[in-house]
Amino acid sequence: QITLKESGPTLVKPTQTLTLTCTFSGFSLSTSGVGVGWIRQPPGKALEWLALIYWDDDKRYSPSLKSRLTITKDTSKNQVVLTMTNMDPVDTATYYCAHMVESWFDPWGQGTLVTVSS
Amino acid sequence: AIQMTQSPSSLSASVGDRVTITCRASQGIRNDLGWYQQKPGKAPKLLIYAASSLQSGVPSRFSGSGSGTDFTLTISSLQPEDFATYYCLQDYNYPLAFGQGTKVEIK
Repeated sequence: QITLKESGPTLVKPTQTLTLTCTFSGFSLSTSGVGVGWIRQPPGKALEWLALIYWDDDKRYSPSLKSRLTITKDTSKNQVVLTMTNMDPVDTATYYCAHMVESWFDPWGQGTLVTVSS
Repeated sequence: AIQMTQSPSSLSASVGDRVTITCRASQGIRNDLGWYQQKPGKAPKLLIYAASSLQSGVPSRFSGSGSGTDFTLTISSLQPEDFATYYCLQDYNYPLAFGQGTKVEIK
């Protein structure tokens, strides 16, 4: 059974850097074809894809946020970390990580709500 | 970047109704499209991948069709547990792009 869980701060101040960790079980990020992605959802709004990292360390980013995002993996710890710099109140959202195989996100973590406020 | 346009943005339907949601891509994406269901306060769940393949464990009343630019998610007989928001996602190329969602509400 594959599970993922997001962790990190629930509140960050404007201009700060957000660091989120996705801890997973039931699969290995060293297995060919496997990836982990990050997706966010502002309150009451649609899903937005942020970043993706593959088993071979190939990384992909949303162009609109690329300058602010970094995604890394620690295969030995079964973790993927997303950092987002220069946080702004518009970045308030629930952040999800998800397992990706053959191009599909399944399953997803439960999500973590991050509020950006001074 | 490919844009995904879903319609309608919301709909009201009754239990037992046949419901159709459409997703249009701004350029051809072959069949590289998935459909996700999200219930309030919950993470999205994969229903359909590769435009028409039913994910394991998903009821057969859900079906998907289409290729190229036009895609459809159909619920053949709406059940109480199907009231949710549905999103399409293209993974033909980067950046990946979700539609804006379709909220299915009880009439």
